[in-house]
Amino acid sequence: AQTVTQSQPEMSVQEAETVTLSCTYDTSESNYYLFWYKQPPSRQMILVIRQEAYKQQNATENRFSVNFQKAAKSFSLKISDSQLGDTAMYFCAFMNPADTDKLIFGTGTRLQVFP
Amino acid sequence: ETGVTQTPRHLVMGMTNKKSLKCEQHLGHNAMYWYKQSAKKPLELMFVYNFKEQTENNSVPSRFSPECPNSSHLFLHLHTLQPEDSALYLCASSQERGGAGANVLTFGAGSRLTVL
Repeated sequence: AQTVTQSQPEMSVQEAETVTLSCTYDTSESNYYLFWYKQPPSRQMILVIRQEAYKQQNATENRFSVNFQKAAKSFSLKISDSQLGDTAMYFCAFMNPADTDKLIFGTGTRLQVFP
Repeated sequence: ETGVTQTPRHLVMGMTNKKSLKCEQHLGHNAMYWYKQSAKKPLELMFVYNFKEQTENNSVPSRFSPECPNSSHLFLHLHTLQPEDSALYLCASSQERGGAGANVLTFGAGSRLTVL
């Protein structure tokens, strides 16, 4: 069974600085999808970025980028130029295309951005 | 407007009560999902509906009863719940079954349920 591990329950960063959130996963599949979701205090889960495993190039969305290491089964999220609005819970998630109803989530990392 | 609206935002109920959670999406999606979010646990998928048909019941106790009258509305009927059922219940939708590629899940803001 696939699992997703986020080993950092809480992180903090100063505004304008860079922070990296870690995520590892376990799967025997070769093709799959990985996601980072953000859940601010408003509680709505918002997609931040996604990566398809067969693509070697790391995904980037504005200030958000990932470091996808397929062999190491690692999928970290880098937030550059952190803003106060980035304060939220961040969830890493895995999806097996052969079982596409199931997004398997990690336990989340609570990120606090300080002014 | 988030596209996926959940009501109520907060619900407190006793173990003998019957209540319902409602989810509505205005995105034209055909698949809808219920997730349970408990503190310090990963989100748990509960139910999936695709074109109004239930395609997934992830071993959820029968005290949770979903209903999907059409592709835009999803309900979760609650009865004789236990205190451990207290959690945030998130509804999501996607274009069709599966959320990968272009079919990314859009979530609502959740219903915070407390069972006394």
